[in-house]
Amino acid sequence: EAQVTQNPRYLITVTGKKLTVTCSQNMNHEYMSWYRQDPGLGLRQIYYSMNVEVTDKGDVPEGYKVSRKEKRNFPLILESPSPNQTSLYFCASSPRVFYNEQFFGPGTRLTVL
Amino acid sequence: GENVEQHPSTLSVQEGDSAVIKCTYSDSASNYFPWYKQELGKGPQLIIDIRSNVGEKKDQRIAVTLNKTAKHFSLHITETQPEDSAVYFCAASGKSSASKIIFGSGTRLSIRP
Repeated sequence: EAQVTQNPRYLITVTGKKLTVTCSQNMNHEYMSWYRQDPGLGLRQIYYSMNVEVTDKGDVPEGYKVSRKEKRNFPLILESPSPNQTSLYFCASSPRVFYNEQFFGPGTRLTVL
Repeated sequence: GENVEQHPSTLSVQEGDSAVIKCTYSDSASNYFPWYKQELGKGPQLIIDIRSNVGEKKDQRIAVTLNKTAKHFSLHITETQPEDSAVYFCAASGKSSASKIIFGSGTRLSIRP
C-alpha cells in the first residue's frame, strides 16, 4: 500500500531532551516536507527536501533539523525541544516539486513539558 | 511575506445545503491552488486543485473557482452530506515559491442533520 508513515504517533517529552520523529514513504517521491499544525494557524511548513541531500527551510525552521540521506526517509530532529514546539506534526511527500498533490502521513502529536 | 487568508474559520450548514469557503493570497506569482480535507485524527487529503490557466473546475459535488485579478479562490460544496464534516485547508504555491506551499488557517465545516 502506497503510504507515508510517521513514528511515533504520540510523544510526551521534557524540555531539552533530544528527539527524532521519523518519516518514510514508499512511493519513490522526490519531494518531502514537514509541517506543524496549530489551532488557528493552519499548516506551517518547517523544512522541505526536493531530493536526496537537498533540504531547505520553510516558514518556521527555528529549533528543528532535518536530513535526507535516502530518498524514502526524512526524519525531523528536535535537538533541544521547548514547550512552544508542542504541536501536531505532519510529514508529506510528492512525486516532484511543482504543482503536485502532497500525500500526508497520519501525524505525530508532540507534547513538550 | 507570502500569505493565504481563509474564511470563515467555522461553518455550519444544514445537510443538503451548499457550503462556500473563501481564500485570498498575496503572491501574484502563485499559480497552483489545492484544497485539502482533514478528517478527525488523520492527515490532510487533496480533494481538488486548480491551476492559474483555469477559472473553474468541478468534480461531482465539489467545485473551485479562481479569480486571479482579485487573487481570490473559493471552494463550493453542493448537496452537503454528513461525511463532508471536516476541516478544509486552501493553499497556494507558484513560481516565486514553487517548492513551498502556503496553507490557509483552515475552516471547520459541520453538517447539521
